[in-house]
Amino acid sequence: TQLLEQSPQFLSIQEGENLTVYCNSSSVFSSLQWYRQEPGEGPVLLVTVVTGGEVKKLKRLTFQFGDARKDSSLHITAAQPGDTGLYLCAGARGSNYKLTFGKGTLLTVNP
Amino acid sequence: GAGVSQSPSNKVTEKGKDVELRCDPISGHTALYWYRQSLGQGLEFLIYFQGNSAPDKSGLPSDRFSAERTGGSVSTLTIQRTQQEDSAVYLCASSPAGGTYNEQFFGPGTRLTVL
Repeated sequence: TQLLEQSPQFLSIQEGENLTVYCNSSSVFSSLQWYRQEPGEGPVLLVTVVTGGEVKKLKRLTFQFGDARKDSSLHITAAQPGDTGLYLCAGARGSNYKLTFGKGTLLTVNP
Repeated sequence: GAGVSQSPSNKVTEKGKDVELRCDPISGHTALYWYRQSLGQGLEFLIYFQGNSAPDKSGLPSDRFSAERTGGSVSTLTIQRTQQEDSAVYLCASSPAGGTYNEQFFGPGTRLTVL
């Protein structure tokens, strides 16, 4: 059972375009993390959202946690080739040390 | 400071051979995780170490897989009698003690290819 569904699975866009990727679940998470993974590297943490409805901005990236804490979105404004990578969401439940990872969205930004 | 390091970065082995993968976590991080990442499958939890507590081995796919963590620092993941389906990227991550949201710091991974 895939507890965190990410969509789209693949996304290829031109530099300067905007995009949104989604992370959805039927389960509630106490917090949700977004990671970016570049080829040949491990995932790197971008942000953690913890409050329902929370919005966090990281330069051109905007992260939102759903009101019910079951879903999240990542919006990138004016995408750049450097944004290319695999975007993973991961949910945590309370003090449980295990994270549940989605399968990721592979983003390619073409110059 | 130094991040999580893993070695080797790439390992090619023949079916049936044993392999050892090494992880050096960030100094002072008490929690250490191993994951397996296969193409299109996301990150699969394998094992978790926290301080001196008994490890959570619930994610190990078979008894051919084992891991240890010596002195609360370096960890080794061993796969015995490797099979072709073991081919994947093996990622190690560490977390600091007292972390509120279980945020993890990943190494670059070891790409294992079993021929």
